[in-house]
Amino acid sequence: DIQMTQSPSSLSASVGDRVTITCRASQSISTFLHWYQQKPGKAPKLLIYAASSLQSGVPSRFSGSGSGTDFTLTISNLQPEDFATYYCQQSYSFPYTFGQGTKLEIK
Amino acid sequence: EVQLVESGGDLVQPGRSLRLSCVVSGFTFDDFAMHWVRQAPGKGLEWVSGITYNSGTRGYAESVKGRFTTSRDNARNSLYLQMNSLRVEDTALYYCVKDIGQWLDGLQEWGQGTLVTVSS
Repeated sequence: DIQMTQSPSSLSASVGDRVTITCRASQSISTFLHWYQQKPGKAPKLLIYAASSLQSGVPSRFSGSGSGTDFTLTISNLQPEDFATYYCQQSYSFPYTFGQGTKLEIK
Repeated sequence: EVQLVESGGDLVQPGRSLRLSCVVSGFTFDDFAMHWVRQAPGKGLEWVSGITYNSGTRGYAESVKGRFTTSRDNARNSLYLQMNSLRVEDTALYYCVKDIGQWLDGLQEWGQGTLVTVSS
């Protein structure tokens, strides 16, 4: 199985900050990497697909980059509604796997 | 509006079976791959299974392979998950998820989930 490792596991930031979350795959996955946001008690929401494509309706302050084994999710100008848990997920090969999640909290 | 409505979750004893269903609307079901993803209480996301638009390819997590079977009925706009030999560790909220496209890729739209509890 391909292991997905996110860092950090948790992060404190302030409104207006720029934050970066990283995701590393245990082997090359090209750009078969997606990012999700989950708020407490809610279903996850797709933010970024294919490493860098912004899902329709997602604010442009969210961006993704990377290929191969190393990927990043960047949130610019943090807004109050962005405090949530973020997951990366690979769809390169079965079984698809998620990172363990990064909890973004208000400082 | 895309809607995915799961049902079938219940409290069951270890070793028993359960069948989850997901009825969808708001998009052309047979144009998209579908997935099941689960989340144990207080834990992260775990991909369970996926099926392509035409049922030609199915994939499973190692933890459920040989016990769970995913199927779909495109005429009924429905996705199913047959779960056999249930274990305590299968306890989770199970989400039905629409893929970005026909082939198994990103997870674009999510239902609200149905809760499966496995306990004696």
